[in-house]
Amino acid sequence: GEDVEQSLFLSVREGDSSVINCTYTDSSSTYLYWYKQEPGAGLQLLTYIFSNMDMKQDQRLTVLLNKKDKHLSLRIADTQTGDSAIYFCAESHGNYGGSQGNLIFGKGTKLSVKP
Amino acid sequence: DGGITQSPKYLFRKEGQNVTLSCEQNLNHDAMYWYRQDPGQGLRLIYYSQIVNDFQKGDIAEGYSVSREKKESFPLTVTSAQKNPTAFYLCASSTSDLGGPNQPQHFGDGTRLSIL
Repeated sequence: GEDVEQSLFLSVREGDSSVINCTYTDSSSTYLYWYKQEPGAGLQLLTYIFSNMDMKQDQRLTVLLNKKDKHLSLRIADTQTGDSAIYFCAESHGNYGGSQGNLIFGKGTKLSVKP
Repeated sequence: DGGITQSPKYLFRKEGQNVTLSCEQNLNHDAMYWYRQDPGQGLRLIYYSQIVNDFQKGDIAEGYSVSREKKESFPLTVTSAQKNPTAFYLCASSTSDLGGPNQPQHFGDGTRLSIL
């Protein structure tokens, strides 16, 4: 079945880079997403990547996709205390009538940024 | 501003009672979703709807019901049949190109449901 795995915790110092990793099992995934959740809040879409891409950069965020190994990573440069949150990796297939583009989520990685 | 509004933010349910969680969006999105979040479990899909007057069960639909009478609204009812309803409930929406890929889902701020 479909599965998305993430490590549960990551701790970094302010100013360092953070790298959050994710592995998935379904090779038919078409889209892969990163969401951020702050305490008591909903999920905020950070970025997403199509499966035919290897890398996407958006300001401090860099997403790397290794489709052969089914491995996705999110790098946050110059990590700030405001980046402390839970980060969710998610995949979808994106076809109406199939799995309807529903998201399969990992359990989330809690990022703690120490001053 | 466009967005997704969930209400109430906190909700308490008595034993044997049905409660309804509201989700409204003004993004003109076709597709809407309900997820349940438990600590350490990530998000699990309860129900989703691709178009008005149509909805499908997700992975954990038992004990829940939905309706989609309007494009903007997708209320979720937690029935008394749901024996462990305490959780954080998240509503999401996205555009939906028929025959093509869905666009990213955007989330509301959630409703926290607790048992009295």
